[in-house]
Amino acid sequence: DSGVTQTPKHLITATGQRVTLRCSPRSGDLSVYWYQQSLDQGLQFLIQYYNGEERAKGNILERFSAQQFPDLHSELNLSSLELGDSALYFCASSVTRQNYGYTFGSGTRLTVV
Amino acid sequence: QKEVEQDPGPLSVPEGAIVSLNCTYSNSAFQYFMWYRQYSRKGPELLMYTYSSGNKEDGRFTAQVDKSSKYISLFIRDSQPSDSATYLCAMSGPAVGNEKLTFGTGTRLTIIP
Repeated sequence: DSGVTQTPKHLITATGQRVTLRCSPRSGDLSVYWYQQSLDQGLQFLIQYYNGEERAKGNILERFSAQQFPDLHSELNLSSLELGDSALYFCASSVTRQNYGYTFGSGTRLTVV
Repeated sequence: QKEVEQDPGPLSVPEGAIVSLNCTYSNSAFQYFMWYRQYSRKGPELLMYTYSSGNKEDGRFTAQVDKSSKYISLFIRDSQPSDSATYLCAMSGPAVGNEKLTFGTGTRLTIIP
């Protein structure tokens, strides 16, 4: 157990729907990162939050949004889902904004049908 | 052209062999270099972390960074079946204000008993 908790582990939904993925960082970690992993694209950075504030944005679609709450857990909202959004979504956390590597959760496997 | 290139493999070697995994990159601003190991259906796990050029050893694992050639390597000595996984290189720029990691697509490694 890495200490980063992601729920749900699996999600199957239809095109056009909206889902919310949840992440609880390791105790004491202030930064949360969201990544998307697909077979052909590898791990792609979506967005980072640090202590409740958005810090960096990657190739995140406008249909996707995220936030970090005062208790530091984070949610990634995916709307108007398309077949191509099917992927593994990982959350990671780190204690500071420094790059000593971060700890990943086990991911949420999203299947859009 | 991707910022980080990694041979996807797959790579199969007999148990006990030395494994060499490599990545090249194009962004000269990268200063932090990491190797992650990802088992099937699990989140990536940080194996090695290196700052700037040089070597770092941890047990059977050695990470090398050559910034002049924009080339990083991970060597695994005395490889074991439990080393069978996908290995991802990752890198980032200066710590503050640029915490996102850019990943290679991963090399799938199988150690044959």
